[in-house]
Amino acid sequence: DAGITQSPRYKITETGRQVTLMCHQTWSHSYMFWYRQDLGHGLRLIYYSAAADITDKGEVPDGYVVSRSKTENFPLTLESATRSQTSVYFCASSSLLLAGENTGELFFGEGSRLTVL
Amino acid sequence: AQTVTQSQPEMSVQEAETVTLSCTYDTSESDYYLFWYKQPPSRQMILVIRQEAYKQQNATENRFSVNFQKAAKSFSLKISDSQLGDAAMYFCAYRPMNSGYSTLTFGKGTMLLVSP
Repeated sequence: DAGITQSPRYKITETGRQVTLMCHQTWSHSYMFWYRQDLGHGLRLIYYSAAADITDKGEVPDGYVVSRSKTENFPLTLESATRSQTSVYFCASSSLLLAGENTGELFFGEGSRLTVL
Repeated sequence: AQTVTQSQPEMSVQEAETVTLSCTYDTSESDYYLFWYKQPPSRQMILVIRQEAYKQQNATENRFSVNFQKAAKSFSLKISDSQLGDAAMYFCAYRPMNSGYSTLTFGKGTMLLVSP
């Protein structure tokens, strides 16, 4: 089915372990994003990508690594998970912004709830 | 850096009544998008309404409308004839309308409670 999917939806891990959250979109959108949602903070940008092999840091990138070898995939890796990374993670995508040609809207996955014990 | 402020952590409304959620933002850009997203308990992020800054006319989507005041950098959401299904967290968001690296900045959200 067309859309944006995240996996796993739920994950429990331990401090110090490596965790990878997967994100796949079928629209061939240029932009992809990773946000984390925490109570009292709204959604904060971790990393984003404007195209394959082009990534950049957002507001809260420390402790996270991303890659984008293919347009449709944008995995997020926590190399050594910490309790402060317990959160809900959202992947999103959007088309390239061309004046008058798109809506600027981000399309979100269903979120991945990560608990670090 | 752009910031988005939602000053109401929580709002309450009765069914069939009208409620307005507030949002202000700070930017030096002249062209941008503004959005309201809804997040029900299912956690899914759902676009409610969108406004392009160059449009003077306020956007409307059925029971949802905005009051966009560009000079004041204000973007409030009005929900008319509130329904139980409107209960959710609402996020205001801003995105520059340039062709470079353009990300979406969110406010911290307003929880809307709807009572029968």
